[in-house]
Amino acid sequence: NAGVTQTPKFQVLKTGQSMTLQCAQDMNHNSMYWYRQDPGMGLRLIYYSASEGTTDKGEVPNGYNVSRLNKREFSLRLESAAPSQTSVYFCASAKGANQPQHFGDGTRLSIL
Amino acid sequence: AQSVTQPDIHITVSEGASLELRCNYSYGATPYLFWYVQSPGQGLQLLLKYFSGDTLVQGIKGFEAEFKRSQSSFNLRKPSVHWSDAAEYFCAVDVPEAAGNKLTFGGGTRVLVKP
Repeated sequence: NAGVTQTPKFQVLKTGQSMTLQCAQDMNHNSMYWYRQDPGMGLRLIYYSASEGTTDKGEVPNGYNVSRLNKREFSLRLESAAPSQTSVYFCASAKGANQPQHFGDGTRLSIL
Repeated sequence: AQSVTQPDIHITVSEGASLELRCNYSYGATPYLFWYVQSPGQGLQLLLKYFSGDTLVQGIKGFEAEFKRSQSSFNLRKPSVHWSDAAEYFCAVDVPEAAGNKLTFGGGTRVLVKP
């Protein structure tokens, strides 16, 4: 089982460039999430989609946009990358409310 | 808003010794509680969860956690650590009545295992 698949695994951008991180899950989960992980801060929620067709802001949404393309796919876009967005990004999915989340292996993003 | 504190940033333990990782949360009622483990270069894997009922919860890889309402704690334990347990561990809470199943994570505890 693939579970949650994130692409790419690594990316280096220059300040001001744009980029879309892709996430797909094959578990027929309703909810999907994007987090960023920075040292000592755990994971912080950027955006989430409780169900297909809906998206909502999390704790740190500024500088990001998302698209829930269909039930399987949830993408994260950086329109104008900034060095402060250098981080490891994780996508997760869950069957529904209050259910355990399943995580992808992450995308390591560096912005110079 | 809820918050989660993991007081220990790093813990070093000898292989075969016991391990306890601390987690304290701040929330007005009993949240849903989770422990996740992250190996280097990997995503997070669920170790165990507490929703209600028995306050001692068994998880995968020989881990257990105890929910103590009076202390707002959900500490993770393992009686005998293996070298493969070296990883980073995250405690997380979810608010039952909130929409969207939004997890709040602690800052993590990195566990080093000495041979």
